[in-house]
This record gives sequence, structure tokens and C-alpha cells, in this order.
Amino acid sequence: QKEVEQNSGPLSVPEGAIASLNCTYSDRVSQSFFWYRQYSGKSPELIMSIYSNGDKEDGRFTAQLNKASQYVSLLIRDSQPSDSATYLCAVNPPSSGSARQLTFGSGTQLTVLP
Amino acid sequence: GAVVSQHPSRVICKSGTSVKIECRSLDFQATTMFWYRQFPKQSLMLMATSNEGSKATYEQGVEKDKFLINHASLTLSTLTVTSAHPEDSSFYICSARMGLTNEQYFGPGTRLTVT
Repeated sequence: QKEVEQNSGPLSVPEGAIASLNCTYSDRVSQSFFWYRQYSGKSPELIMSIYSNGDKEDGRFTAQLNKASQYVSLLIRDSQPSDSATYLCAVNPPSSGSARQLTFGSGTQLTVLP
Repeated sequence: GAVVSQHPSRVICKSGTSVKIECRSLDFQATTMFWYRQFPKQSLMLMATSNEGSKATYEQGVEKDKFLINHASLTLSTLTVTSAHPEDSSFYICSARMGLTNEQYFGPGTRLTVT
């Protein structure tokens, strides 16, 4: 089992719809969770971090964390064509030690259709 | 968010030469910096973890004598690709970890082409 799993997609949604991106992780005691957006040919950009169970909202983005189910998701409301990118889920497992390395999923490619 | 710069953004070099890439955290002190490599349409691959004033920790399969990392200060880490070969052509990206939050902020990346 991969440490961090994401559906690779591609996921296509119409403009204005809600895009839902999902991620599961294997290390039950992981504490820090992140979503990054990566446009083609560019480096990843941090868009959300979440540390406790529940929802965290920032503008059109909502991150949801359920530690019991080892599940983290990202909702994008009112999706825009400019949201078309690859979304990377990242987890900081305790196994990373003091270096706090992130373990990344393989990413979900999102396309928002005009 | 925090800002990480990387220089150069793009470099073309001849086989056998060495290339140095700089990574700087501009508005925070980074306890740890990371170096990644990404081939087209593939996932990020962690190459090494760098802490200020100590030797870098390399991931399995990454040659430490080929990819030299120096972390001179809390805001600067460098990666030197020595004796580069065409198979080293890739997108090299650094990130810096903000201590309190564990958030990692990425530099814009360096696209290396070895001819």
C-alpha cells in the first residue's frame, strides 16, 4: 500500500461546479496534511494546510480531515478554468523524524471546462 | 505565503561540466531545506534533506558525490550537479520548511538541460 494515495484522474468538472479531490494515507499517527497545486511546467504551490479533524476553509478552498478514516480531501467551489492543474496531497508522517519530510501522493489532474 | 527563490531558472550545459543551483528563503529562516527532482509527467522525487551546518541526508539511490549539497545558512542551500550527463536533465526544485508549521514552500525550480 502506498503511503499517500490519490486518484490520478484526470478529473473534469464544468466551470462553476465543485471539484472534489481525495487522498488517503497509511500512517495513522500522521499529524500534518497539505494540499499543493502544480501547474504544468511549474513548481508546487501550497494552497492549504490542515492539522486537526474537521473542515478548514480559505476562500473557494475547503480542506477536510478525518483522522479516524485516514482521509483528507480538498473541495474547490465555483471552479474556474484557472484551477486546472495537478493537485498534490502531502502528509508529514512521524517516520520522517525531525527532518519533517513530506510524503507526496502522485497527484490528481483537474481540468475545469469552460 | 513565504517566498523561496531559486537561481538560475534555466540552465543548459555541456556534458561533463558542473552546475550550481541556489535556493534561498527570502522572508523566513528555514530549519530544513529539501531538494527534489521531477521528470516530465512524473511525481516529485525527494533527493536529499539539508540542515544548516550539517551534512545533507540523501535518499536511497541518489549519489552524494554527484549531487553536492551545501547548506551554509538558515536562508541558503546550494545543489551542485557535478560532471553532468544528459540523463541528469530534469526539473530541480528546492523547498524550505517553516519550523513552526511544518509547511514547505517551494522555489520556482531550475530546468537543467545537459547536451
